[in-house]
Amino acid sequence: AQSVAQPEDQVNVAEGNPLTVKCTYSVSGNPYLFWYVQYPNRGLQFLLKYITGDNLVKGSYGFEAEFNKSQTSFHLKKPSALVSDSALYFCAVRDIYGGATNKLIFGTGTLLAVQP
Amino acid sequence: DGGITQSPKYLFRKEGQNVTLSCEQNLNHDAMYWYRQDPGQGLRLIYYSQIVNDFQKGDIAEGYSVSREKKESFPLTVTSAQKNPTAFYLCASISGTGLSGANVLTFGAGSRLTVL
Repeated sequence: AQSVAQPEDQVNVAEGNPLTVKCTYSVSGNPYLFWYVQYPNRGLQFLLKYITGDNLVKGSYGFEAEFNKSQTSFHLKKPSALVSDSALYFCAVRDIYGGATNKLIFGTGTLLAVQP
Repeated sequence: DGGITQSPKYLFRKEGQNVTLSCEQNLNHDAMYWYRQDPGQGLRLIYYSQIVNDFQKGDIAEGYSVSREKKESFPLTVTSAQKNPTAFYLCASISGTGLSGANVLTFGAGSRLTVL
């Protein structure tokens, strides 16, 4: 069965410092991996995705994520955090061999708090 | 601008009442989804529809009902059979059949339902 884990409920970082939000996944085949961001009382916004190819994926707002197949991880990173990055971040996975009825599975979310 | 419109943004319901949440998209997307979001639990799939006049149960369909009479519209009814309906409800859509591809979900801004 597919699953995705975000081991940290909250990540605190000072503005200007690098940030990492962790995500690990479990699928039976090869994964499609996604990161979304949610601001308070809003819907989710797409940040980036990994399908195939280069393990380092670049996305919106200066975010990037590194796919690591051996560690089954897809951590979200940014070299220099901004206060405006403070939000709830969701990792999601889909098994590419799951067929037409395969669903996108979301993690429980990680709250990123960037202090000025 | 293309997007997904959810209404109402906030809704209060007395116990025993049915309520309907509206979701309209002008993206010409085929597939539409309803997710429920609770603190610390991430997003859970309630129902999804890949084409007009067809829909499938997600992971937590009990106490909910949907219809898909038009491509643009996918309303969700929270019935009195739903024992714990207070939550944030998110509607999303995706082009094509969506579920088997690397396509990205587009989300509405959400509807917050509170049972008094």
